[in-house]
Amino acid sequence: EAQVTQNPRYLITVTGKKLTVTCSQNMNHEYMSWYRQDPGLGLRQIYYSMNVEVTDKGDVPEGYKVSRKEKRNFPLILESPSPNQTSLYFCASRGSGNTIYFGEGSWLTVV
Amino acid sequence: SQQGEEDPQALSIQEGENATMNCSYKTSINNLQWYRQNSGRGLVHLILIRSNEREKHSGRLRVTLDTSKKSSSLLITASRAADTASYFCATDEDTGNQFYFGTGTSLTVIP
Repeated sequence: EAQVTQNPRYLITVTGKKLTVTCSQNMNHEYMSWYRQDPGLGLRQIYYSMNVEVTDKGDVPEGYKVSRKEKRNFPLILESPSPNQTSLYFCASRGSGNTIYFGEGSWLTVV
Repeated sequence: SQQGEEDPQALSIQEGENATMNCSYKTSINNLQWYRQNSGRGLVHLILIRSNEREKHSGRLRVTLDTSKKSSSLLITASRAADTASYFCATDEDTGNQFYFGTGTSLTVIP
């Protein structure tokens, strides 16, 4: 089954404790991206990657890092999480015809 | 930011009625897409309309695009309770590298 898988789905962490949200897709897509969704703000793009070893900032990259060492994986790293990074995060990949496939989301709470 | 805006923010209708939601955006685009999100879940692609198209149909969905007004509308005909969800429009800029989502319309279909 074609899918984007992200983990963990739910996480509560403390300010400053590094965390990584993993993302994997099985559709051989070159383009992958991360979004955060906040009430009243919709989805905002954090980072995107056009292909392996190619990453670019989206609209809200501050406080986040990404890496793309393999085509299927695109982890999101929060080096020193802060409470304003409490959000619902989505990983996505882009298929043919520009259709975007989303993961199920990761609820992150930073206390 | 290119981020679009949906209108209305919330819509409540009776089952069987038609639902219309609108999207406005700010700059030139390649494509405009509509996505659906059930509460707290990942977004699911509904339909894509290219910048040189004016109308597109898919099942009970009808999408129009007016590039002169930088706006699009999504019509869901003969709505069902299962259509209850949030609906987002998404545009991509000229390079196609970044995608911008609106803030969404929350649709409630009352059985």
